[in-house]
Amino acid sequence: NAGVTQTPKFRVLKTGQSMTLLCAQDMNHEYMYWYRQDPGMGLRLIHYSVGEGTTAKGEVPDGYNVSRLKKQNFLLGLESAAPSQTSVYFCASSFRLAVYEQYFGPGTRLTVT
Amino acid sequence: AQSVSQHNHHVILSEAASLELGCNYSYGGTVNLFWYVQYPGQHLQLLLKYFSGDPLVKGIKGFEAEFIKSKFSFNLRKPSVQWSDTAEYFCAVNGDTGRRALTFGSGTRLQVQP
Repeated sequence: NAGVTQTPKFRVLKTGQSMTLLCAQDMNHEYMYWYRQDPGMGLRLIHYSVGEGTTAKGEVPDGYNVSRLKKQNFLLGLESAAPSQTSVYFCASSFRLAVYEQYFGPGTRLTVT
Repeated sequence: AQSVSQHNHHVILSEAASLELGCNYSYGGTVNLFWYVQYPGQHLQLLLKYFSGDPLVKGIKGFEAEFIKSKFSFNLRKPSVQWSDTAEYFCAVNGDTGRRALTFGSGTRLQVQP
C-alpha cells in the first residue's frame, strides 16, 4: 500500500497563477481532508469530503476549491494564487467509522511570489 | 468553538531526560484527544489517542498522555527520551460538535541532543 500520496511535492507560483494539488489514497477511506500548515499555527482545515461527489468547507476555505470525483482522489485547486497561500499543504484520509485516525500524505510545499 | 494551545514551541533535551509537553484545549463538552508526531522528512502519524475510560493512555514508542478533565489538559510524557524522538509533536482535539475534523495545536518542536 502506498497510503496517501500527494503531487507535486514542491511548487513555486507567481501571484495570479492557478494550480491543482492532487491527493490519492489506496486504503478505501471514505473521508478525505486538505490542511495547510503555517509556522506557529499548526494545521488548519481547508476543505474536507465525506464521500465521492461531496465536499464541505473547513476553517480556511477562501481562495481554494476542491473536487472529489473519485473515491480515491481529492483535488485542491487555487484559481488565482496569492502570497498568503504560501504554505505546506497536507492531505489526509480516514475511514468513516474512525474519522479521527487520519492518515497523512507527505505534504506539498507551495511558494507564491 | 474549540481550540488547542501548546505553550512549548521548541524544547531541547539531552538523551535520557524526561519529557513533558503541554496541551490545553478549550471546549466544554465531550472531547476526543490525540497526539500526532511528525519525524523529520516523514508524514504525520498518530502517536496516541483518548476517547474515554482510563485517563492515562499509552501510545507507541514509550509515550503516554494523561487526560485531566478539570484542567482541560492532555499532556504528553516520556520518562527517557532518545535522539530518535526528535520530531514535531501536535496535540489535536475533536469535541462533540458534529464536525468531522480535528483541531490542531501549533505544534512543539522537540530536539534531543545525543
